[in-house]
Amino acid sequence: DSGVTQTPKHLITATGQRVTLRCSPRSGDLSVYWYQQSLDQGLQFLIQYYNGEERAKGNILERFSAQQFPDLHSELNLSSLELGDSALYFCASSEGGPSYNEQFFGPGTRLTVL
Amino acid sequence: DQQVKQNSPSLSVQEGRISILNCDYTNSMFDYFLWYKKYPAEGPTFLISISSIKDKNEDGRFTVFLNKSAKHLSLHIVPSQPGDSAVYFCAASAAGYALNFGKGTSLLVTP
Repeated sequence: DSGVTQTPKHLITATGQRVTLRCSPRSGDLSVYWYQQSLDQGLQFLIQYYNGEERAKGNILERFSAQQFPDLHSELNLSSLELGDSALYFCASSEGGPSYNEQFFGPGTRLTVL
Repeated sequence: DQQVKQNSPSLSVQEGRISILNCDYTNSMFDYFLWYKKYPAEGPTFLISISSIKDKNEDGRFTVFLNKSAKHLSLHIVPSQPGDSAVYFCAASAAGYALNFGKGTSLLVTP
């Protein structure tokens, strides 16, 4: 158990809909990262938050947005869903700071768009 | 643009032998490299890492080698055990930012 929790575990929805994925980082971790794993792709970095502020952006679509709340949990919002958004979405957390800190991953949310 | 590449999608090794998983990268700004192990329906689990100032790091049966001039790293597992069967992801980071992952190598260790 990494200490990172993600809800829900599974999500099935229809095209055009909007969903919210939730992540609670390990106790004490200030950084939260979101990754997407599609069928034919490795883990693709989407976005990072550090202590409530956006720190880095990766391959995140404009239809997707995220935020980190004062209690440090984070939410990833996916809107106008398309079939191609079906994937595993992982959240990871780390202590944060200027140098590298090991990232701990949650169990993921499997999103299926029908 | 894939900055971290794992060119072998799968590898099969006999129990007790050495498993060697390879990874290449293109970004010379990467200064920290990691290997993650992933079982189905679980998130990736950190296995071992190496800083760019080193060329080797060892942890039990796992050793990671880094060749900066070739932009290549490898993970050696000796001896391999059936429980090592999983997908292994190579990842790299620049200046503490997000990880860039390869597409993974599926390792199967047969008895």
